[in-house]
Amino acid sequence: GENVEQHPSTLSVQEGDSAVIKCTYSDSASNYFPWYKQELGKRPQLIIDIRSNVGEKKDQRIAVTLNKTAKHFSLHITETQPEDSAVYFCAANKQGGSYIPTFGRGTSLIVHP
Amino acid sequence: GAGVSQSPRYKVAKRGQDVALRCDPISGHVSLFWYQQALGQGPEFLTYFQNEAQLDKSGLPSDRFFAERPEGSVSTLKIQRTQQEDSAVYLCASSRGGGVGETQYFGPGTRLLVL
Repeated sequence: GENVEQHPSTLSVQEGDSAVIKCTYSDSASNYFPWYKQELGKRPQLIIDIRSNVGEKKDQRIAVTLNKTAKHFSLHITETQPEDSAVYFCAANKQGGSYIPTFGRGTSLIVHP
Repeated sequence: GAGVSQSPRYKVAKRGQDVALRCDPISGHVSLFWYQQALGQGPEFLTYFQNEAQLDKSGLPSDRFFAERPEGSVSTLKIQRTQQEDSAVYLCASSRGGGVGETQYFGPGTRLLVL
């Protein structure tokens, strides 16, 4: 089955700095890669996603890049703000049969004001 | 509109007790997923429904776990003879269709503590 590794597990930055979270996946058939933000005690919420026919996608201060050859994808947050502090999860999904996403273990991002 | 709701939000059970966790998906959403999230971990897939059909239950950790969605809307996850290792947050998510790339909308979760 699919295996998703996520790094780092904790990331501490100063307000205004950039933050990068990286994920690798094992199944080359995976073709959809969402990122979720989960604030303490709250539900995961989708913040951005990318499909395997696209190399990069941007939405204001967040962007995701995908390298299919290397089987890794990354989340980039620029001009970080204290409200960006949360746990971020990546996931990898593939088409065919049941649609079962595999999640990474999460990155706790702390943005210091 | 209303999002995914789950009840109860918190449940304390004594070891050996049976529990039932409820999920109300977004109205009209075809797909429904259950996940188990241990402290400090990402959600782990348990089972998946498309309408009333349970298409995949490969993530259920043991035969003590059972899920149903009899009318293709509300779903119940039942855990029989709870054990301490069942303590976790149980998340439900729904999506409009059944294909890859469908956004999943999560509920707030049920935090289960087994003493």
